[in-house]
Amino acid sequence: DAKTTQPNSMESNEEEPVHLPCNHSTISGTDYIHWYRQLPSQGPEYVIHGLTSNVNNRMASLAIAEDRKSSTLILHRATLRDAAVYYCILYSSFQGAQKLVFGQGTRLTINP
Amino acid sequence: DAGVTQSPTHLIKTRGQQVTLRCSPKSGHDTVSWYQQALGQGPQFIFQYYEEEERQRGNFPDRFSGHQFPNYSSELNVNALLLGDSALYLCASSLRGLVYEQYFGPGTRLTVT
Repeated sequence: DAKTTQPNSMESNEEEPVHLPCNHSTISGTDYIHWYRQLPSQGPEYVIHGLTSNVNNRMASLAIAEDRKSSTLILHRATLRDAAVYYCILYSSFQGAQKLVFGQGTRLTINP
Repeated sequence: DAGVTQSPTHLIKTRGQQVTLRCSPKSGHDTVSWYQQALGQGPQFIFQYYEEEERQRGNFPDRFSGHQFPNYSSELNVNALLLGDSALYLCASSLRGLVYEQYFGPGTRLTVT
């Protein structure tokens, strides 16, 4: 399973942008980069995913390095509700893999 | 539209007992995956069901088994419970072929004493 590396924890202030980094130096050409987050006492929820180009949706933006060995999840204006554990996951269905492999994730704290 | 539901919410069992956890997928979804999440860790994949068959399995012993019903709901069974089985058990549903976008339930908290 392809491996990702994330900081254990990060802290930011409410209404400020947050940049959550993820390193995936062994990424293969068929791996998509996915982000999930897990709010306290809830199951994980899908945030965003991308392959090569930067992606935007209503929740966040995903910036992918040109060599694809790293990516950054961007929360443009953090709220207290964004406090969660954020997981960066590599997923490929190329070889029939049908599972998500979660690492330790980054625990994001938002200060009011 | 109901999301993924799981029952029960909490469960306390004794070492050696057996337990059954239940999951109803999001409406329209046909694939169910089960994950175990120990305290402070990320979820670990147990297995996945599609068309009432186990399609893929993670690194879990045979004490962990499952079932999927024709209505796509699923059960996770754990036999001969160990203290180390204490965890949050998460069910996730998805459409076959879109497994990257899984919808998770709130989980069942199992405590083994």
